[in-house]
Parts: sequence; C-alpha cells; structure tokens
Amino acid sequence: GEDVEQSLFLSVREGDSSVINCTYTDSSSTYLYWYKQEPGAGLQLLTYIFSNMDMKQDQRLTVLLNKKDKHLSLRIADTQTGDSAIYFCAEGGTGRRALTFGSGTRLQVQP
Amino acid sequence: DARVTQTPRHKVTEMGQEVTMRCQPILGHNTVFWYRQTMMQGLELLAYFRNRAPLDDSGMPKDRFSAEMPDATLATLKIQPSEPRDSAVYFCASGLVLGQEIYEQYFGPGTRLTVT
Repeated sequence: GEDVEQSLFLSVREGDSSVINCTYTDSSSTYLYWYKQEPGAGLQLLTYIFSNMDMKQDQRLTVLLNKKDKHLSLRIADTQTGDSAIYFCAEGGTGRRALTFGSGTRLQVQP
Repeated sequence: DARVTQTPRHKVTEMGQEVTMRCQPILGHNTVFWYRQTMMQGLELLAYFRNRAPLDDSGMPKDRFSAEMPDATLATLKIQPSEPRDSAVYFCASGLVLGQEIYEQYFGPGTRLTVT
C-alpha cells in the first residue's frame, strides 16, 4: 500500500533556510502536497506539485520533487518564528480517493 | 473566502454519552473526509463521502461511530456511546475529485473532543 515518511523534528534559527524532507512509495502518485498545522488549528494547504514537475516556487516556499527517488522536499527561505508548526507531506494518485499523509515534521524556529 | 466549518470547536462529555460533530464543506466540493488526530496515532482517516455517498468507512469503529451526509452542505460524525479513548481532535476536510483524481483537499479547524 501507499506509505509516506517524514522525519519527526527540525530545528533552525530565524533567518536560516529550512528544508523538510518526505519520501513516498507509490510511483503512481499524481499530486504531492504540503500542509502546515499550527497549534490548535487544522491543516492548511500550503502548496502542491504535479508529478510531471520537478520544482515549484511560491514566494518563500520551494518544492522539489525527485520522482525517480520518490523524494519530495519543502524549502522555506528566511524562516521566521511564525513558520514554527507541524508540516505534513501528502500524496494522491489516480484511482485513489483519499490522500495519504505522512506523520508530520515539527519545525521549531529559534530566535 | 471559502472554508470548511466545524461545530462544536470543543466538546467535553462523560463516558457513555452521545456526541455529534458537524461539518459544512466548501460549496462545490464533492468529497468530504473525516479524520481523527491523536498524539499516539497521528492523523487517521475515518471515513469519506463522494457526492454524499459513503465510499469508505473502514477506518471507523463501526459499533459506536457513524457518519452521514444528510445533504450537500452538512456532514455529521456521531459517537454513541463515547469512551475516553475517543478523546482526540476530529477534522473534517472537503475536496474536489474529478474523474479519478483527487486534489484540493481543505481542512476545517477541528473539534477537540474530551471524554471523561
């Protein structure tokens, strides 16, 4: 079945870049997503990338996709304390009706 | 600003009581999901509906949980009777499925349930 894995924790200093990594197993994944969850809130869709792309940039966010290695990353430039949250990677594929989520990476930004 | 709404935001109840959680999906979305999030298990998919029809509820304890969509603007998740192990945050999400592809899944703020 489908599986999505992420490291549990990442700590960076304010102003540095953060890179959150994710691996997935299903080669038929069509869309790959990044969600952000702040304390006490729901999951907020940050960005997504089609599987036929290898990069997508949106302001401070850069998503890189290595389809051959089934590896997805989210880079946050100039990380701010407001970026402290849990980041979930998710993937969806043709014929599947629900996304598969990773366990989330807790990003801690130190001032 | 379209968003998924959930009520109540917080619920504290005693073991054995019935709990009903409600969700209003984003207008135009044809798929609704119910998730449960706990520290131990992370995010678990409980059930989902497409065009109001239940497609999969295999993640849900059938003896006490039930999910329905009485109309396109309302989804409900009911627990009867509730147990302390049901304490969690319950998220509703709505999304758009076109053909065989799922995308645009948006989450509500969640209902934090505490069963004592």
